[in-house]
Amino acid sequence: EPEVTQTPSHQVTQMGQEVILRCVPISNHLYFYWYRQILGQKVEFLVSFYNNEISEKSEIFDDQFSVERPDGSNFTLKIRSTKLEDSAMYFCASSGGGKGAGNTIYFGEGSWLTVV
Amino acid sequence: AQSVTQPDIHITVSEGASLELRCNYSYGATPYLFWYVQSPGQGLQLLLKYFSGDTLVQGIKGFEAEFKRSQSSFNLRKPSVHWSDAAEYFCAVGTNAGNMLTFGGGTRLMVKP
Repeated sequence: EPEVTQTPSHQVTQMGQEVILRCVPISNHLYFYWYRQILGQKVEFLVSFYNNEISEKSEIFDDQFSVERPDGSNFTLKIRSTKLEDSAMYFCASSGGGKGAGNTIYFGEGSWLTVV
Repeated sequence: AQSVTQPDIHITVSEGASLELRCNYSYGATPYLFWYVQSPGQGLQLLLKYFSGDTLVQGIKGFEAEFKRSQSSFNLRKPSVHWSDAAEYFCAVGTNAGNMLTFGGGTRLMVKP
């Protein structure tokens, strides 16, 4: 079964450093997402990406975050200058089809980011 | 804006017993509803989804859920729980206006032998 893959599975970084989280979405999918889950809290939407641009983003997704699809297969989340409160599990996801959550979103296994 | 409430943070059931996990949503129109499961150290796996039509939906691993518009609920059920069902379960709502999902806080299920 096709799956979303993420790297790294766990990263520890110093506060203020830049971090790039990588994802390979399911190959024929058109929409790509990042969600995060701070320990003990809800899974929260960060951003969706379609046709090489951001289609939706939440209030969490401020100027320190950026996303990119550098080639035909990868989708990345960059955190420019990490803060302690960025420590979380970051989930990449993808879906096929058009607009509307009627298209099933498939999640990767997550990347644990610990900022120290 | 839509929201999801999972009233039970923790639930413990005995193996072989039936299970019902509660989910209530808030959204003005017909929502898209999902249940995901997260096993320890794993990602989010889709159990089942409701888009339209039959309000009782069947999912993987023997789970089912029923959409009740009058109660704004989408409760997850399983007639007989197995030890391997121990995990965290998330209810989520989506809309036709965009692609984002709004998740509930999750319910952690523990299974007693």
